[in-house]
Amino acid sequence: KNEVEQSPQNLTAQEGEFITINCSYSVGISALHWLQQHPGGGIVSLFMLSSGKKKHGRLIATINIQEKHSSLHITASHPRDSAVYICAVRYYGGSQGNLIFGKGTKLSVKP
Amino acid sequence: ETGVTQSPTHLIKTRGQQVTLRCSSQSGHNTVSWYQQALGQGPQFIFQYYREEENGRGNFPPRFSGLQFPNYSSELNVNALELDDSALYLCASSPGLDGELFFGEGSRLTVL
Repeated sequence: KNEVEQSPQNLTAQEGEFITINCSYSVGISALHWLQQHPGGGIVSLFMLSSGKKKHGRLIATINIQEKHSSLHITASHPRDSAVYICAVRYYGGSQGNLIFGKGTKLSVKP
Repeated sequence: ETGVTQSPTHLIKTRGQQVTLRCSSQSGHNTVSWYQQALGQGPQFIFQYYREEENGRGNFPPRFSGLQFPNYSSELNVNALELDDSALYLCASSPGLDGELFFGEGSRLTVL
């Protein structure tokens, strides 16, 4: 059983829609990452957070430590947002690189 | 400031062979982590190097080994390749053990 669960696995949206991707994890963490992976394979780090909420442009990430849950929101989605979004967590005592990854959510935004 | 670069981008090997993958960390970063990503799966942590020393290892056998050089670039070596080693290998550098991770584009290995 994967310790990091993402939902949905696949998501298709129309341009302009508000998008939410969810991530749940099973034990205490010291940090959670949201990552974006394009078809070529390269990964871009979107957010690293341990509490509360962060915003960057049209992207918002929230985390609820008590409920062991995080969400990534995309406002006014655009076809260029099409990618795989991956949630990854660092458990207490782990080094920054020692992350447990979810399987990813494949997002497709149609014009 | 150059980003994280990996080489080669693609390679094909046969079972039993050995492979070396390389990663140049971003300027000013002294920490490199390596990950394996099988098709359709999330990445899995292989190991991390900090200032030339291994600083954490995931659930991978000893035939996966690595090095970090004084300029903080890194190598991943895999011996006795198996078919299941076919994957995208990603490296990420960071400015210290708690810094944000910056990923390379990956090296796609196919084992026949």
